[in-house]
Amino acid sequence: DAKTTQPPSMDCAEGRAANLPCNHSTISGNEYVYWYRQIHSQGPQYIIHGLKNNETNEMASLIITEDRKSSTLILPHATLRDTAVYYCIVSDANTNAGKSTFGDGTTLTVKP
Amino acid sequence: NAGVTQTPKFQVLKTGQSMTLQCAQDMNHEYMSWYRQDPGMGLRLIHYSVGAGITDQGEVPNGYNVSRSTTEDFPLRLLSAAPSQTSVYFCASSYRRNQPQHFGDGTRLSIL
Repeated sequence: DAKTTQPPSMDCAEGRAANLPCNHSTISGNEYVYWYRQIHSQGPQYIIHGLKNNETNEMASLIITEDRKSSTLILPHATLRDTAVYYCIVSDANTNAGKSTFGDGTTLTVKP
Repeated sequence: NAGVTQTPKFQVLKTGQSMTLQCAQDMNHEYMSWYRQDPGMGLRLIHYSVGAGITDQGEVPNGYNVSRSTTEDFPLRLLSAAPSQTSVYFCASSYRRNQPQHFGDGTRLSIL
């Protein structure tokens, strides 16, 4: 599975959009991009995933560049409850999703 | 639907003791995994299973055993606990490949 690179920390003002980048320059054609978040020490929570097209759900939007070497998770109107560690991972379509490797993630702090 | 249930939530062991961390899911998921998370770090994969009777090693399998006799249960055994295994352990499951993982609330394990 491809490795990912994320900034260690980011701040965002409450009510503004939070844009979290992820670099996955060695991603292969079969690999999906997943985003999870972990609030305090709870179990990680799934946010969104995609292969090549941009995706949107009730929590966030995922923008994947055309060459698929990077992506951005967008929280359109960040709240204090969005303060968490955000993990970007890639997983091969032909392997078990549970084989995904989590890096250290980005700590997002939403400030009033 | 209880999701992924991990027991116990907390445990303190002495060096050399053995114990089993329990993980059960009621979503009929084929794929299950165990991760450990050390303070301030991301999740590292210990072992995973693609179905009953099938298991494989992740990044950090040494000192741990797993088995998968049923679809629902995926216990993690510490053979001879060491202080380096002090960590938070998360179990996760997913329906099939390319599906998001559902995580339990974790087991906080301290080894003295």
